[in-house]
Amino acid sequence: EIVLTQSPATLAVSPGERATLSCRASQSVGGNLAWYQQKPGQAPRLLMYGVSTRATDTPARFSGSGSGTEFTLIISSLQSEDFVVYYCQQYKHWPLAFGGGTKVEIK
Amino acid sequence: EVQLVESGGGLVQPGRSLRLSCAASGLTFDDYGMHWVRQAPGKGLEWVSGISWNSGVIGYVDSVKGRFTISRDNAKNSLYLQMDSLRSEDTALYYCVGGMVFGRFDHWGQGSLVIVSS
Repeated sequence: EIVLTQSPATLAVSPGERATLSCRASQSVGGNLAWYQQKPGQAPRLLMYGVSTRATDTPARFSGSGSGTEFTLIISSLQSEDFVVYYCQQYKHWPLAFGGGTKVEIK
Repeated sequence: EVQLVESGGGLVQPGRSLRLSCAASGLTFDDYGMHWVRQAPGKGLEWVSGISWNSGVIGYVDSVKGRFTISRDNAKNSLYLQMDSLRSEDTALYYCVGGMVFGRFDHWGQGSLVIVSS
């Protein structure tokens, strides 16, 4: 069973600044890593898949990188709507798994 | 526009059963692997169960194995989750989710709340 560890659990950043979110897998997931964004009271939505491919309607300020066991989501210039929760997820092995989430809050 | 609409949630006593349904529209349903993902109040996301497009591959998280059964009816564009022997720890918002790549969650419903309590 693969465990995904996201860090930090909470990230305080000023609007317009850059945010770096990390996701570490307990074993290699290859390129089968996705990121989801969840706004309060809403269902999550797919943000990024295949590590670095932006999903439909994902702004260009979001970028993903990494491979194997270490992955990063970068938001280059935080907008007000970006201060929400982000989850990584691996889809290489069953059981499928999510990380515990990173909440991005306003500094 | 893709729509996934869950139904069937509610308040149920421990040990009882509940069946969730998900009606899909705006997509070619049998192109998609389908899943149930849950979120306990104030907590993170947990994958519960998944089923491939032709029901040939089915999986469950360990905590629900032997109690939950996933199924789909491609003729009705519908996904189901039969939940038996419910426990308080099953209390959560249950999302119906579909993905073109099996295991990836492209589209999400708004969720159906299941509360297990006496």
